[in-house]
Amino acid sequence: DTEVTQTPKHLVMGMTNKKSLKCEQHMGHRAMYWYKQKAKKPPELMFVYSYEKLSINESVPSRFSPECPNSSLLNLHLHALQPEDSALYLCASSQGRGGGEAFFGQGTRLTVV
Amino acid sequence: EDQVTQSPEALRLQEGESSSLNCSYTVSGLRGLFWYRQDPGKGPEFLFTLYSAGEEKEKERLKATLTKKESFLHITAPKPEDSATYLCAVQALVDRGSTLGRLYFGRGTQLTVWP
Repeated sequence: DTEVTQTPKHLVMGMTNKKSLKCEQHMGHRAMYWYKQKAKKPPELMFVYSYEKLSINESVPSRFSPECPNSSLLNLHLHALQPEDSALYLCASSQGRGGGEAFFGQGTRLTVV
Repeated sequence: EDQVTQSPEALRLQEGESSSLNCSYTVSGLRGLFWYRQDPGKGPEFLFTLYSAGEEKEKERLKATLTKKESFLHITAPKPEDSATYLCAVQALVDRGSTLGRLYFGRGTQLTVWP
């Protein structure tokens, strides 16, 4: 199994809503990542979890709250988002802590209205 | 400061017309260079890892090469199904003495292959 599974695939939420994005991998990878990607732009790193501990937070606003319940799961909790937060949110995992050879999920297309 | 620059931004090829995509980087302490393919609305798909100058990797019609300052993705006799955005990323450590690294992505080359 070389898949990273993200749910939901699409999400529309209001600015006062609370929602969560979920990511799951069963490759035994010990590093997991959240990226944000706007149209025609490269993925931007948001958070890195290494061995279930938050290792990198790229100065992401607190309205985004990551959580790693175990080595296979990664969540991104969303609260009070702004329309400019609309983007494709990508989860990835890698065997090592270096960030390379990362396997990406298909993403969650988030629209904030 | 851009650490990874890809060119061209967009490339249109006729089926069978070979070409190359370029990725130049300025990151110090390169730990690896990676090529990904991304289809619209999908997550990037891992293609190749290159670690040292002179290294080459091949997969079907794609061949990636690495020098000390840049990498090339050569596409031989492309087909319409090769149409996608090709992303280059370099891996660097977050700081000296750490084993934790991160990827820096270029903006990508949008490749269109028409029949």
